Amino acid sequence: DIVMTQSPDSLAVSLGERATINCKSSQSVLYSSNNKNYLAWYQQKPGQPPRLLIYWASTRESGVPDRFSGSGSGTDFTLTISSLQAEDVAVYYCQQSDSTPYTFGQGTRLEIK
Amino acid sequence: QVQLVQSGAEVKKPGSSVKVSCKTSADTFSNSAISWVRQAPGQGLEWMGGIIPFFGTTTYAQKFQDRVTFIADKSTSTAYMELISLRSEDTAVYYCAGDRRYSSGWFFDFWGQGTLVTVSS
Repeated sequence: DIVMTQSPDSLAVSLGERATINCKSSQSVLYSSNNKNYLAWYQQKPGQPPRLLIYWASTRESGVPDRFSGSGSGTDFTLTISSLQAEDVAVYYCQQSDSTPYTFGQGTRLEIK
Repeated sequence: QVQLVQSGAEVKKPGSSVKVSCKTSADTFSNSAISWVRQAPGQGLEWMGGIIPFFGTTTYAQKFQDRVTFIADKSTSTAYMELISLRSEDTAVYYCAGDRRYSSGWFFDFWGQGTLVTVSS
């Protein structure tokens, strides 16, 4: 199984500041035939299902604010929130769909400093 | 807005089984893959497997292979997840999650509201 490891486990950032969450996979999730990274990012708020933010490592889902961006390739990925808003307080997960079982990172809790 | 509507909370005895439903529109059902993801209390997300209703094909995470069955009923546009031989560790919120781009990576762009399954004697 591909193990997804996020860092940090928790993060406190001031409003308006940048937040950065990292995700590392135990093997590459880059699909060579189409040069796409099979890596997604989700946001989950308490009592709600997760929400897809980013797929193919850097493609923003429709309706997601442009302060959210994804980067990286192969085994190392980053989710960046350029200017933290109060409504961004949540747990964030990365997920790979390169090979089954599709696996998630352990989650990163983002709070306001 | 794409919707997945799940059945209500369940309380089950150890050793019993549970069947959770997930209903959507006919169009969504025909053009999506439906996965099942669970979340134990205070824990992270765990993919159990999925089904492509149009083809009827299923894929199961090996961890659940012997205990879980996914069914797609095209007549009612409803997906089902049945988990047998329940134990206390199966206590979790079970989500169905849909993916309209499954041909190029299973990413879950719409989710059900979740069904809490509690296993307790």
